[in-house]
Amino acid sequence: EAGVAQSPRYKIIEKRQSVAFWCNPISGHATLYWYQQILGQGPKLLIQFQNNGVVDDSQLPKDRFSAERLKGVDSTLKIQPAKLEDSAVYLCASSPNHALPGSYTFGSGTRLTVV
Amino acid sequence: KQEVTQIPAALSVPEGENLVLNCSFTDSAIYNLQWFRQDPGKGLTSLLLIQSSQREQTSGRLNASLDKSSGRSTLYIAASQPGDSATYLCAVRNDYKLSFGAGTTVTVRA
Repeated sequence: EAGVAQSPRYKIIEKRQSVAFWCNPISGHATLYWYQQILGQGPKLLIQFQNNGVVDDSQLPKDRFSAERLKGVDSTLKIQPAKLEDSAVYLCASSPNHALPGSYTFGSGTRLTVV
Repeated sequence: KQEVTQIPAALSVPEGENLVLNCSFTDSAIYNLQWFRQDPGKGLTSLLLIQSSQREQTSGRLNASLDKSSGRSTLYIAASQPGDSATYLCAVRNDYKLSFGAGTTVTVRA
């Protein structure tokens, strides 16, 4: 089966600019996750969708980050305006259902550098 | 809030040596624990999943143990190879949320 697709692979922007990342999960997977991985740290969950509804966005900085999953398939994560501390790898993952254990499949990530 | 710690942060061993990677967590009320591998510039690949009721899981040269009461897991990699060089991440699941450690970066020298 095809994996989780993410684009772009790399992005360099200046602070205060905006940026958007795209994720296409595995076909049929109901749950989609966005993680932020800062260099030297483990991934941190930003937002979790079940179909097109938000399950958990408690760690999403809502003043600058937004995410949507229209039609319950692919998803877009946006940052506006970006800060230097947003430099990180943004990972998208999907699973058939958030209640099933060990079923996460991760994409290759988007590496964001804010200068 | 679940805190996951991995020690050491980095490890370098000669080829053929056995690897021992440690993971500790603060909240023992977990559903399961998972070990992932991350290669540079790549996403995460699941290696082993241990349910909370299990003590260990094995896959080929990999063996992971879980002591839920003490909040610890250990990943053993037997007879290491240069291809095992990567970052290994431990993640624990509570309430459908996965909490990660910072990882152990392993270098296997040929």
